[in-house]
Amino acid sequence: EAEVAQSPRYKITEKSQAVAFWCDPISGHATLYWYRQILGQGPELLVQFQDESVVDDSQLPKDRFSAERLKGVDSTLKIQPAELGDSAMYLCASSKRQGSSYEQYFGPGTRLTVT
Amino acid sequence: AQSVTQPDIHITVSEGASLELRCNYSYGATPYLFWYVQSPGQGLQLLLKYFSGDTLVQGIKGFEAEFKRSQSSFNLRKPSVHWSDAAEYFCAVGSSGGYNKLIFGAGTRLAVHP
Repeated sequence: EAEVAQSPRYKITEKSQAVAFWCDPISGHATLYWYRQILGQGPELLVQFQDESVVDDSQLPKDRFSAERLKGVDSTLKIQPAELGDSAMYLCASSKRQGSSYEQYFGPGTRLTVT
Repeated sequence: AQSVTQPDIHITVSEGASLELRCNYSYGATPYLFWYVQSPGQGLQLLLKYFSGDTLVQGIKGFEAEFKRSQSSFNLRKPSVHWSDAAEYFCAVGSSGGYNKLIFGAGTRLAVHP
């Protein structure tokens, strides 16, 4: 069964350092999502791609976060510089197309700890 | 604005007992509603979804949920809980148009006693 792959699974970094997360969606899925899940809360959408284009980044802190999906397949989320408040689980999901009727499939996540 | 409230942060049930997890939503139009489950260290898995039609929907692992428009609720139920059901459960609402943005509740952590 096809799955969404994410790496690394765990990352510990110091405040002010740069960190990057990688996501490989299910093959053929045009829509890719990055969510942030703070401990004790539900996931919150950071950025959504349709193919290689960003269609929603309204909740992405653009002064320190960036995301790209250059060839419309895998994606990278970067934080520079990291802050203590960035400690969270970062989840990637993909769906065949955009629209709530298309199921989102989630990867296992990257747990980030900023010290 | 869309929002989802899960009133119970933590629930404990005995194995074999029935389960109901509550979810209330706020949305101006007909919502798309979802329940996801997250096991420790894992991503989210879709249990079931409601788009339209029959207000009682069946999902995987023996779960069901009932959409009640008058109460703005979409509660998740299971008649007999298994120890493997211990996990965190998230209710989410999505729009029927636009870019598919899901709004999640804060989650309910389920513990199962043997």
